Amino acid sequence: QVQLQESGPGLVKPSETLSLTCIVSGDSITSYYWNWIRQPPGKGLEWIGDIYYSGSTNYNPSLKSRVTVSVDTSKNQLSLKLTSVTAADTAVYYCARVKMGAVDYWGQGTLVTVSS
Amino acid sequence: QSVLTQPPSVSGAPGQRVTISCTGSSSNIGAAYDVNWYQQLPGTAPKLLIYGNTNRPSGVPDRFSGSKSGSSASLAITGLQAEDEADYYCQSYDSSLSGYVFGTGTRVTVL
Repeated sequence: QVQLQESGPGLVKPSETLSLTCIVSGDSITSYYWNWIRQPPGKGLEWIGDIYYSGSTNYNPSLKSRVTVSVDTSKNQLSLKLTSVTAADTAVYYCARVKMGAVDYWGQGTLVTVSS
Repeated sequence: QSVLTQPPSVSGAPGQRVTISCTGSSSNIGAAYDVNWYQQLPGTAPKLLIYGNTNRPSGVPDRFSGSKSGSSASLAITGLQAEDEADYYCQSYDSSLSGYVFGTGTRVTVL
């Protein structure tokens, strides 16, 4: 059974960098594409970006200038960095596996609040 | 900035049939990219409900069905049950954004 577990600070100050890690178990990170998706409280889902184990990435154009997604194959994990955060970046952040264009496995999500 | 439009809410009595529309454009659904549907129960991560326009993952009841035509797609729930009360999202790929896009989301209420 594939499991994804996000971790990272739950509170980040404005203008600082949000950093999250997702550990993947039950599957090799060298298979499929691995994604980050977020959901502001009470709002809809927003795709942030994805990565293949080779390091190839794709990002949401609206976040591209601030986002970096990376992968560590030795630890079977992926990471997200979002710089210069504001209150608008407050959201539940999910890591997810995409297979043939559909998200078939989701992490439980982690709430990140941007506040001083 | 959702590029796929869904109705904010739909409702129905137990046992009834409800449908949720998902309207896109020529750069996503209309460009023949697949549509997927997700169910999100309160406080939980979304769950894949329909993939590849019409296919149900193992374990998803056949009360849920998907269809696609032109630049739009639909999710139908027949024999509506209390446990179907949730938020539903469509999702596809957009060639102009070179990435995935989600619908605005629809809350289903069982009366």
